[in-house]
Amino acid sequence: GDSVTQMEGPVTLSEEAFLTINCTYTATGYPSLFWYVQYPGEGLQLLLKATKADDKGSNKGFEATYRKETTSFHLEKGSVQVSDSAVYFCALTGNTPLVFGKGTRLSVIA
Amino acid sequence: DAGVIQSPRHEVTEMGQEVTLRCKPISGHNSLFWYRQTMMRGLELLIYFNNNVPIDDSGMPEDRFSAKMPNASFSTLKIQPSEPRDSAVYFCASSLGATAQGYTFGSGTRLTVV
Repeated sequence: GDSVTQMEGPVTLSEEAFLTINCTYTATGYPSLFWYVQYPGEGLQLLLKATKADDKGSNKGFEATYRKETTSFHLEKGSVQVSDSAVYFCALTGNTPLVFGKGTRLSVIA
Repeated sequence: DAGVIQSPRHEVTEMGQEVTLRCKPISGHNSLFWYRQTMMRGLELLIYFNNNVPIDDSGMPEDRFSAKMPNASFSTLKIQPSEPRDSAVYFCASSLGATAQGYTFGSGTRLTVV
């Protein structure tokens, strides 16, 4: 079945550092890809999405490009802030409901 | 819109008791999902509905779990009898369509079974 693999966390960065969280997927067909963010004590919020190969999703300084050739959707941000501290989930949907990765906890220190 | 509303936010119950979790989806959304989040297993889909009809309940762990959606604005997830291993955060999400659209999640219900 469809699956998502994310890099293990936690990831700890200093403020203004560059962020990459790796995500690869296995799916039949051409899934849509998503990044969700979960702040402490809250539900998941959609951060960005891409629905076809080579699409770039972006929001709040975060970006991810749908790479069909490497089946990847890595999340990047050029300069993280303390307020970006959260758990980030990569997810996909093809012909089924969203399938999530295990999540990557990011801690940004001032 | 107030978003997806779940109640209660926290529930502590004794083993063997019945637990009912509630969800009000976003008006106009026709798909509703129940997920369970634990440290060990991450986010697992339990069941989803399309137009109030259960489509796939293969993620429901046991017969102790049941879910209903009597109308487009309300769903329940019931656990009877509850067990300590059911302790988790349960999320409800809704969307317009089950696939390509992103989902809107509720704030979750943290269930503790002692």
